[in-house]
Amino acid sequence: DTAVSQTPKYLVTQMGNDKSIKCEQNLGHDTMYWYKQDSKKFLKIMFSYNNKELIINETVPNRFSPKSPDKAHLNLHINSLELGDSAVYFCASSQAIGRNTGELFFGEGSRLTVL
Amino acid sequence: RKEVEQDPGPFNVPEGATVAFNCTYSNSASQSFFWYRQDCRKEPKLLMSVYSSGNEDGRFTAQLNRASQYISLLIRDSKLSDSATYLCVVRNDYKLSFGAGTTVTVRA
Repeated sequence: DTAVSQTPKYLVTQMGNDKSIKCEQNLGHDTMYWYKQDSKKFLKIMFSYNNKELIINETVPNRFSPKSPDKAHLNLHINSLELGDSAVYFCASSQAIGRNTGELFFGEGSRLTVL
Repeated sequence: RKEVEQDPGPFNVPEGATVAFNCTYSNSASQSFFWYRQDCRKEPKLLMSVYSSGNEDGRFTAQLNRASQYISLLIRDSKLSDSATYLCVVRNDYKLSFGAGTTVTVRA
């Protein structure tokens, strides 16, 4: 049973389209994240939610909008896709946010290609 | 300056060799440090935490130097299965920042 699952795993779409990636965790964790890994393999945090509340919002275009309907789900919606959005998007979760937070459990990633 | 910097490598080593590499971080107030491992086209997974006094986990040894703001990872008796990208991770309050990774390839 997959701990952190995200769908779809692959997404190929045209510039200007809107797309969503869904993420679910069954670990009972309070905190969930979206990371973006670009072609240079640099893994950069985008958002973090703790118990449905947004706690980290890095400098991300407002075309990206996260939504957390409950603490087990964190979805990412992207409007007006651009070529530079092509990357692998990883969802992750961890136990309650705090000073010992260190282990993130990642989903398998969603590889987005914008043509 | 990036928050976490690593030598991208690749480090190509024969089986049985020892390989070591460092990572530097910019925020002197960083609280916790970790090494993650990422296999090709897979998700990152926690390899080990890094403690102030240094720590070992089997063939892996991690060290922290707060004065110089770097952490290191040493792999002894390399196995083919150690081939991966090793990501240095630093925590500041709620945020975990990842380095771009050091690629290690162990050859037979």
